[in-house]
Amino acid sequence: DIQMTQSPSSVSASVGDRVTITCRASQGISSTLAWYQQKPGKAPNLLIYTASSLYSGVPSRFSGSGSGTDFTLTISSLQPEDFATYYCQQANSFPRTFGQGTKLEIK
Amino acid sequence: EVQLVETGGGLIQPGGSLRLSCAASGFTVSSNYMTWVRQAPGKGLEWVSIIYSGGSTYYSDSVKGRFTISRDNSKNTLYLQMDSLRAEDTAVYYCASAPNAYFFDYWGQGTLVTVSS
Repeated sequence: DIQMTQSPSSVSASVGDRVTITCRASQGISSTLAWYQQKPGKAPNLLIYTASSLYSGVPSRFSGSGSGTDFTLTISSLQPEDFATYYCQQANSFPRTFGQGTKLEIK
Repeated sequence: EVQLVETGGGLIQPGGSLRLSCAASGFTVSSNYMTWVRQAPGKGLEWVSIIYSGGSTYYSDSVKGRFTISRDNSKNTLYLQMDSLRAEDTAVYYCASAPNAYFFDYWGQGTLVTVSS
């Protein structure tokens, strides 16, 4: 199975800050990576697919990059509604696997 | 508007069975790849199973041989039959659509399954 490791596990930031979350795959996955945002008690929401494609309706302050084993999710200017937990997910092979999550908290 | 609504969760004893349903509106289940993802209380997301539009199915090792994914085209509904349930299957179960089986775009609200005596 492909292991997905996110860092950091949690991060504190302020509104307006630029935040970057990283995701590393245990083996190369080309660009078959997605990012999700999840708020407490809610289903995840797709943000980014194929590593860098912005999903419909997602604000442009979210961006993704990377290929192979190293990927990043960047939020250019944090908004109050962005405080949530973020997950990466690989789609290179079965079983599909997620990172452990990064909790983004208000400083 | 696409909507997915899961039902069927509840409290079940270890070793028991439960069938989850995911009713879709706004799109056709049989024409899409559909998946189940679960989340144990306070934990991260875990992929469970997927069914292709052509009918092929895949499972995580943790549920293989115990869970069965299926669909009823006439009801436009996805199912997850869960047998031989264990305490570690306790989770919120989400259904989602999965374009080309890669990422998961539309999600239901989830249904809680609690396996406990």
